[in-house]
Amino acid sequence: SQQGEEDPQALSIQEGENATMNCSYKTSINNLQWYRQNSGRGLVHLILIRSNEREKHSGRLRVTLDTSKKSSSLLITASRAADTASYFCATDGNYGQNFVFGPGTRLSVLP
Amino acid sequence: DAGVTQSPTHLIKTRGQQVTLRCSPKSGHDTVSWYQQALGQGPQFIFQYYEEEERQRGNFPDRFSGHQFPNYSSELNVNALLLGDSALYLCASSLKGQGLVYGYTFGSGTRLTVV
Repeated sequence: SQQGEEDPQALSIQEGENATMNCSYKTSINNLQWYRQNSGRGLVHLILIRSNEREKHSGRLRVTLDTSKKSSSLLITASRAADTASYFCATDGNYGQNFVFGPGTRLSVLP
Repeated sequence: DAGVTQSPTHLIKTRGQQVTLRCSPKSGHDTVSWYQQALGQGPQFIFQYYEEEERQRGNFPDRFSGHQFPNYSSELNVNALLLGDSALYLCASSLKGQGLVYGYTFGSGTRLTVV
């Protein structure tokens, strides 16, 4: 079973709008990471947030973490067509192995 | 500074055959993890290699095996291929103990199609 679950499964917005994706997980974590994947190619690491952090920024990205609700959100501000991709959250949890990825959110940014 | 290199990029095999996929980690990285990603799904962890040994393994059958060489490159072998093995196979590298802390560097993957 997957540790993380992204929501929504798919999201379509206009260029310039903000995009928000959510991730819920089941067990306690040490940190949570967000990755982007373009057209079924390799994953690109976007941002990592530790369990003792509540919010983190990187350029147009803003990630929040609520450990009490076991959830995280990724906000992309002022979206661009180039942001069109699948976004995955990954958690380490207590499984004692590598990151566990959710099924992802497919974001489409329309010009 | 070269990133993670995977070969081949695409591969078509017949059911029952065997396949070997290759990965060269990012310069300076010594740990290699392999993931399987079915179409429309998130990556699933297969196993991780460090110091030429399998250190962790996900929920995959013994048909999936691997190897790491002294130069840190790695191979993923899949025997007795099934149609369900069709997927994108991703290699990720990191420095030992750092991947779970700072994240992994992924290759572009090998698209395996089993017919």
